[in-house]
Amino acid sequence: GDSVTQMEGPVTLSEEAFLTINCTYTATGYPSLFWYVQYPGEGLQLLLKATKADDKGSNKGFEATYRKETTSFHLEKGSVQVSDSAVYFCALSAGLRNTPLVFGKGTRLSVIA
Amino acid sequence: DSGVTQTPKHLITATGQRVTLRCSPRSGDLSVYWYQQSLDQGLQFLIQYYNGEERAKGNILERFSAQQFPDLHSELNLSSLELGDSALYFCASSVTAGSRSYEQYFGPGTRLTVT
Repeated sequence: GDSVTQMEGPVTLSEEAFLTINCTYTATGYPSLFWYVQYPGEGLQLLLKATKADDKGSNKGFEATYRKETTSFHLEKGSVQVSDSAVYFCALSAGLRNTPLVFGKGTRLSVIA
Repeated sequence: DSGVTQTPKHLITATGQRVTLRCSPRSGDLSVYWYQQSLDQGLQFLIQYYNGEERAKGNILERFSAQQFPDLHSELNLSSLELGDSALYFCASSVTAGSRSYEQYFGPGTRLTVT
């Protein structure tokens, strides 16, 4: 079945450091790819998405590019802030719309001043 | 605020008991999903409803059931509770009629503790 693998955490960075969180997927067909963020004590918020190969999703300084050839969707940010401390989840949904999400295990990011 | 509401926020109950979790989707959203988040299993899809009908089933135990009502709110019923059912239960909604958007918007979750 479909699956998502993302790098294990926790990841600890200093403020203004560069962030990469790796995510690879296994899926039949052409899935849509997502990054969700979960701040402490809150639900999941959609951070960005990409629906087809070579699409780049971006939001709040975060970016991820849908790479079909490497089945990857790595999350990057050029300069992290303390407020970015959260758990980040990579997820996919099958090519059809309105289908359940398959999540990776999540990566906890801590940014220290 | 995603527009998805879940009640209650916290629930503490004993083994063997039955509880009901409630979810109100975003205004106009037809699809409701239930997910379970636990430390050992991560985020897992349980069940999906679309406009009152069951649409997809994931790793949902037979002790668990759900339904979506005509006003589109949904309830997740958990019975014969075990310690291992302690988790955060999220509801998400998507698919507003007439819209091409299909992103899922998550509620704040219900934290269930079984003692």
